Amino acid sequence: GNSVTQMEGPVTLSEEAFLTINCTYTATGYPSLFWYVQYPGEGLQLLLKATKADDKGSNKGFEATYRKETTSFHLEKGSVQVSDSAVYFCALGAMNTGFQKLVFGTGTRLLVSP
Amino acid sequence: GAGVSQSPSNKVTEKGKDVELRCDPISGHTALYWYRQSLGQGLEFLIYFQGNSAPDKSGLPSDRFSAERTGGSVSTLTIQRTQQEDSAVYLCASSLEGNRRNTEAFFGQGTRLTVV
Repeated sequence: GNSVTQMEGPVTLSEEAFLTINCTYTATGYPSLFWYVQYPGEGLQLLLKATKADDKGSNKGFEATYRKETTSFHLEKGSVQVSDSAVYFCALGAMNTGFQKLVFGTGTRLLVSP
Repeated sequence: GAGVSQSPSNKVTEKGKDVELRCDPISGHTALYWYRQSLGQGLEFLIYFQGNSAPDKSGLPSDRFSAERTGGSVSTLTIQRTQQEDSAVYLCASSLEGNRRNTEAFFGQGTRLTVV
């Protein structure tokens, strides 16, 4: 079945450090890929998405590129801020199970210290 | 409304009791989803509504779980004879349309259910 694997957390960084959160997927066909973020006390928010191979999603300084050859969608940011502290979820939607059914990774907690 | 609204935000219930969780989606969104977030299982899909019908109920874990949507708007998730393993955060989401490659789902803050 379809699945998403993302790196265990927590990831602890100092402000202005470079961030990478790894995400790999298994899916039939060409899924759509998403990163969601959950800030403390808030609901899940879509951070960025990519719907086909080689697409790059970007938002708020975060980027992720849909790599079909490595089945990956790693999240990166060049300089993190304290306000980026949150839990990040990688997710996919696939045609074989219906794009309405998002499959999520287990989440990676990011802690950024001043 | 401005966002997806869920109520109650917290619910503590005794094992064996029934509970109802409510979701008010963003106005105009035709698609509505329920997910469950628990420590052991992560985020799991439960059910998808398009309008008032539910073409995908594949994630409902047992026949104790049911959901309905009325008027193409508010949805209620009902759990009968609650068990301790039902303890989780229940998330509702909505989107303009469902089952599209670029669908963006907007999530509510969830209902934290604790079964004691």
